[in-house]
Amino acid sequence: AQSVTQLDSQVPVFEEAPVELRCNYSSSVSVYLFWYVQYPNQGLQLLLKYLSGSTLVKGINGFEAEFNKSQTSFHLRKPSVHISDTAEYFCAVSDRDDDKIIFGKGTRLHILP
Amino acid sequence: DGGITQSPKYLFRKEGQNVTLSCEQNLNHDAMYWYRQDPGQGLRLIYYSQIVNDFQKGDIAEGYSVSREKKESFPLTVTSAQKNPTAFYLCASRFSGMGGDTQYFGPGTRLTVL
Repeated sequence: AQSVTQLDSQVPVFEEAPVELRCNYSSSVSVYLFWYVQYPNQGLQLLLKYLSGSTLVKGINGFEAEFNKSQTSFHLRKPSVHISDTAEYFCAVSDRDDDKIIFGKGTRLHILP
Repeated sequence: DGGITQSPKYLFRKEGQNVTLSCEQNLNHDAMYWYRQDPGQGLRLIYYSQIVNDFQKGDIAEGYSVSREKKESFPLTVTSAQKNPTAFYLCASRFSGMGGDTQYFGPGTRLTVL
């Protein structure tokens, strides 16, 4: 069965600094990969997704992620964070023939002034 | 506007009571999902439905029940058998045809047992 590991439960970073949120998944079979963002007391919003093709995926709010099949990773990056990026970020994976998505436990991004 | 609605946003329940959470979507999506979110545990799947009048248990179905009588609606009942129901509940839906890879989420219902 698929599993997703988000290596950091919390990441503090200064405003305008770069950030990387790490995500590893368990299986190297064909997968779909997702990053979602959750602001306090709200639902999840899709940031970006990898289905196939280019391994560098660009999403909303200036975020991007790189699919690395050999390392089974899908790390999320942003070159310069803003206070409005304060939120919890979830990595998720789905086998291509599966109707279910497996979520990581989330990484809380704290932006320091 | 197309989207997923959940009601109520906040819900309080006394121990021993059943309570039903509403989830409605007008996206014409075939599949719908219920998740439970607890701090530091991510999202855990309770039930999901791929088609009307059919649903499957997820990872933590005990103490919960669902129905799918209409494509647009997938209500979740939290029964008195659920030992620790206080949590944030999220509903999601997904198109099941070609390109239907993404789940879209409602705003959530926060349930508190008093």
